Amino acid sequence: EDKVVQSPLSLVVHEGDTVTLNCSYEVTNFRSLLWYKQEKKAPTFLFMLTSSGIEKKSGRLSSILDKKELFSILNITATQTGDSAVYLCAVEGEYGNKLVFGAGTILRVKS
Amino acid sequence: DVKVTQSSRYLVKRTGEKVFLECVQDMDHENMFWYRQDPGLGLRLIYFSYDVKMKEKGDIPEGYSVSREKKERFSLILESASTNQTSMYLCASRPLNSEPYEQYFGPGTRLTVT
Repeated sequence: EDKVVQSPLSLVVHEGDTVTLNCSYEVTNFRSLLWYKQEKKAPTFLFMLTSSGIEKKSGRLSSILDKKELFSILNITATQTGDSAVYLCAVEGEYGNKLVFGAGTILRVKS
Repeated sequence: DVKVTQSSRYLVKRTGEKVFLECVQDMDHENMFWYRQDPGLGLRLIYFSYDVKMKEKGDIPEGYSVSREKKERFSLILESASTNQTSMYLCASRPLNSEPYEQYFGPGTRLTVT
């Protein structure tokens, strides 16, 4: 059975801190790993990773995938209160088109 | 911009009622999905559809059914609502694509069954 585990489950930091969110997975015939940010509305897409060792970057957010060790990390530098959200990791496996999600990491950034 | 809309943001129903949740997407996507989201459990797939009138069970289909009569619309039906179906329901869509692709989500419907 495909499985995605995120850690930590929740995190409280101060503005300006750097955070690292973790996502490990077990999936049959891995196709991609996706990160989403969810505030009190629809999850919004952040990154899709398909190849190992290639960093995806967008502003203060970056992510990298390790297909050998079966994990990904999402880094946020110089955190702001607007980064407070649930961060979701999902993997697309053998059957394609279907995503398996982790439980999410709740990030709270205090000013 | 892809837009996925859901018929209600908040819904309160009584145990035993039949409940319809509607989802509409405007990007001509073939694939549509229904998830429920519960604290500590993440998003779990209820049903998905890859074409009109086609449906596939997800991981937790019990107590739910779906309908896809038109490409842009995917409905989730709770035949007889129960309190354990109180949850956030999220709809998503994506194109039928052999390459990995993101899913686009609607804003969610928070359903409370009393």
